[in-house]
Amino acid sequence: QQQVKQSPQSLIVQKGGISIINCAYENTAFDYFPWYQQFPGKGPALLIAIRPDVSEKKEGRFTISFNKSAKQFSLHIMDSQPGDSATYFCAASMAGNTGKLIFGQGTTLQVKP
Amino acid sequence: DAGVTQSPTHLIKTRGQHVTLRCSPISGHKSVSWYQQVLGQGPQFIFQYYEKEERGRGNFPDRFSARQFPNYSSELNVNALLLGDSALYLCASIPRVPISYEQYFGPGTRLTVT
Repeated sequence: QQQVKQSPQSLIVQKGGISIINCAYENTAFDYFPWYQQFPGKGPALLIAIRPDVSEKKEGRFTISFNKSAKQFSLHIMDSQPGDSATYFCAASMAGNTGKLIFGQGTTLQVKP
Repeated sequence: DAGVTQSPTHLIKTRGQHVTLRCSPISGHKSVSWYQQVLGQGPQFIFQYYEKEERGRGNFPDRFSARQFPNYSSELNVNALLLGDSALYLCASIPRVPISYEQYFGPGTRLTVT
């Protein structure tokens, strides 16, 4: 119940295309869902996050779609660029335990020029 | 503004040894969390500290311990190192506890156990 399942494990997209990464969770007590971007040799960087009272959040080229009934959420990267090539992690946490993020397994994105 | 700082950057230790990793949070942040990231996997929660007290502990053995100092910096200690402890150890800085959800990660310490 504490797991967050992420797919696909790897993704190759052409420059200008849309990258889509999906995550699913079981624990309905989760109420915060961030996405992190990690480059090799670096720590994860917070990209965008959503709370379950909102179905979609957009920041620049990055959009989170959230489906509370299906317990799924996804990251869409519009107009993907080679500089977006990185590993992306979804995560979840819950009220009263905000110091603990539970991460998905990660998706390695390669954007081809 | 300085971000989260961690030291050392890289470390090589031998099985059975002890290691201490250090973290300084973002100025004004009073809470840190520690994570272990094994190559090819997502980070795994180890500890959270707030106001020098442990607020949460993940599923790690007692060989792992941590503490937080009055200036909110933190140390992660690992005793009796095993080969499986080889990983990137990440420190995250948390702005406002308990209401804050955002966590900002440092660059990590790469620990190799031989």
